[in-house]
Amino acid sequence: NAGVTQTPKFQVLKTGQSMTLQCAQDMNHNSMYWYRQDPGMGLRLIYYSASEGTTDKGEVPNGYNVSRLNKREFSLRLESAAPSQTSVYFCASKVSALSSYNEQFFGPGTRLTVL
Amino acid sequence: GENVEQHPSTLSVQEGDSAVIKCTYSDSASNYFPWYKQELGKGPQLIIDIRSNVGEKKDQRIAVTLNKTAKHFSLHITETQPEDSAVYFCAASTSGTYKYIFGTGTRLKVLA
Repeated sequence: NAGVTQTPKFQVLKTGQSMTLQCAQDMNHNSMYWYRQDPGMGLRLIYYSASEGTTDKGEVPNGYNVSRLNKREFSLRLESAAPSQTSVYFCASKVSALSSYNEQFFGPGTRLTVL
Repeated sequence: GENVEQHPSTLSVQEGDSAVIKCTYSDSASNYFPWYKQELGKGPQLIIDIRSNVGEKKDQRIAVTLNKTAKHFSLHITETQPEDSAVYFCAASTSGTYKYIFGTGTRLKVLA
């Protein structure tokens, strides 16, 4: 039982390049989330997927797209990377999106640098 | 908009002393308040949580208190140890929504 896994762990991009961050969970959770973590700003929600087949915007969705490929996998795509997207990206999952009382489980993160 | 303020941003304590981290939330509908610990190079991990119908919860050396009237909640760590050194995040969530609103984090250093 690996929990939430993310690939890659580190990535360096040039401005304008594209890439996809991968996330998978093996806990049979319904909801999945993508956050970015910047110094002094905590965790900010980019996109979430309440259940397989649905995705919705969070606080900071501009410049990103997501795909809920199946119940296990939720990917984040940067179509044209910008230096402002330099950050640490975390994927998380939860049993159910609308039930507050469930723990969110986080992956180990992807550290992305855009030059 | 909704936000969670967290203080202090950094905290240094001597091993064996207590540490207190405080958070204030703005959305009065918030009813679930988790605390996460993030070690260097890892993702956040839940260490304790509290629901709005409870005023205090303890788990060994860790406790959380909630004051709904003042809309603030606090994390208390007693008998701190070097392995408590990490970044701690509070969050507030509301039933029926997807949102977890996170605080900006507190870097705790326990000095041996």
